[in-house]
Amino acid sequence: DSGVTQTPKHLITATGQRVTLRCSPRSGDLSVYWYQQSLDQGLQFLIQYYNGEERAKGNILERFSAQQFPDLHSELNLSSLELGDSALYFCASSVVGGGPNEQFFGPGTRLTVL
Amino acid sequence: AQSVSQHNHHVILSEAASLELGCNYSYGGTVNLFWYVQYPGQHLQLLLKYFSGDPLVKGIKGFEAEFIKSKFSFNLRKPSVQWSDTAEYFCAPTGGAGNMLTFGGGTRLMVKP
Repeated sequence: DSGVTQTPKHLITATGQRVTLRCSPRSGDLSVYWYQQSLDQGLQFLIQYYNGEERAKGNILERFSAQQFPDLHSELNLSSLELGDSALYFCASSVVGGGPNEQFFGPGTRLTVL
Repeated sequence: AQSVSQHNHHVILSEAASLELGCNYSYGGTVNLFWYVQYPGQHLQLLLKYFSGDPLVKGIKGFEAEFIKSKFSFNLRKPSVQWSDTAEYFCAPTGGAGNMLTFGGGTRLMVKP
């Protein structure tokens, strides 16, 4: 158990819908990262927040957005869902936002878009 | 931007065989290097990491990796694999402002008992 929690574990929804994925980092970690794992794209970085502020952006679609709240939990919002958005979404956390530091991964949320 | 290449996509070994998985990255600046493992149905777990110092790093479960700066490589090794090592292995350097991980395509290892 890494100490990072993600809810829900599984999510099944229809095209065009909007969903919210939630992540709680390890106690004391200020930085949250979101990654997407799919069969065709592999594991790719989406976005990072550090202490409530967006720190870095990767291959995140405009239909997706995220935020980090004052209690440091983060939410990833996916809207106008398409079949290709079906994937495993991981959240990771680390103590700091940059420099040598280890990221701890949550169990993931498996999203299925029908 | 950082890119990562893992040369072996699928590896099948018998128990007690030796393992070496190749990883090459592109970024020429300061990088931190990681190997993560994903057991079937589970989340990513850190095997080992390199930040600086001794280029030969030891991780959990008998794994080790060698950082060779001149070759931009960070290969993973284990002298004798076990059936429980069956998993997918990801090489991931970091770089950039936020130090996000850039993952390789992964190597699926199957160890036959």
